[in-house]
Amino acid sequence: EAEVAQSPRYKITEKSQAVAFWCDPISGHATLYWYRQILGQGPELLVQFQDESVVDDSQLPKDRFSAERLKGVDSTLKIQPAELGDSAMYLCASSLEVSSYNEQFFGPGTRLTVL
Amino acid sequence: SQKIEQNSEALNIQEGKTATLTCNYTNYSPAYLQWYRQDPGRGPVFLLLIRENEKEKRKERLKVTFDTTLKQSLFHITASQPADSATYLCALDRSSSNTGKLIFGQGTTLQVKP
Repeated sequence: EAEVAQSPRYKITEKSQAVAFWCDPISGHATLYWYRQILGQGPELLVQFQDESVVDDSQLPKDRFSAERLKGVDSTLKIQPAELGDSAMYLCASSLEVSSYNEQFFGPGTRLTVL
Repeated sequence: SQKIEQNSEALNIQEGKTATLTCNYTNYSPAYLQWYRQDPGRGPVFLLLIRENEKEKRKERLKVTFDTTLKQSLFHITASQPADSATYLCALDRSSSNTGKLIFGQGTTLQVKP
């Protein structure tokens, strides 16, 4: 069964360092999402891609976060510099196309701890 | 502001009973609502989608209702099993143009005891 892949699964870093997360969506899925989930809360959408284009990044803290999906397949989310409040689970999801009638398939996530 | 609320307290029930989880929303007029299951340390898994013109939807032991007047969705698991223990999330599109920009509730943790 096709799955969304993410790496690394866990990342520990010190504040002010740079971190990067990678996501490979299900083959053929045009839409890719990055979410942040703080413990005890639901996922919060950070950025949405349709192919290689950003559809929505209104919730992305652009002073320190960046995301790209250069060839419209896999994607990277970067934080520079990391802050203590960035400690969370970062989830990647994909769907066939931009539509809320399509289910979103989530990866296992990257657990980030900022010390 | 737009808001989705789920029972923040964990729900503990006995195996075989029906679990009922609640999702309330304000300041939305959603065309649909989605439910996901999330196990500890893992990503959410899609369960069901219900549209505004569907009062009820079923899938195996799962049943979802959607009351747009009350602005509420109920999620039922009948004949619950310990394997149903997880956190359940409801989600709505935060835009008015059905573009997949989901906003999630905080989730309700269900614990089914044998």
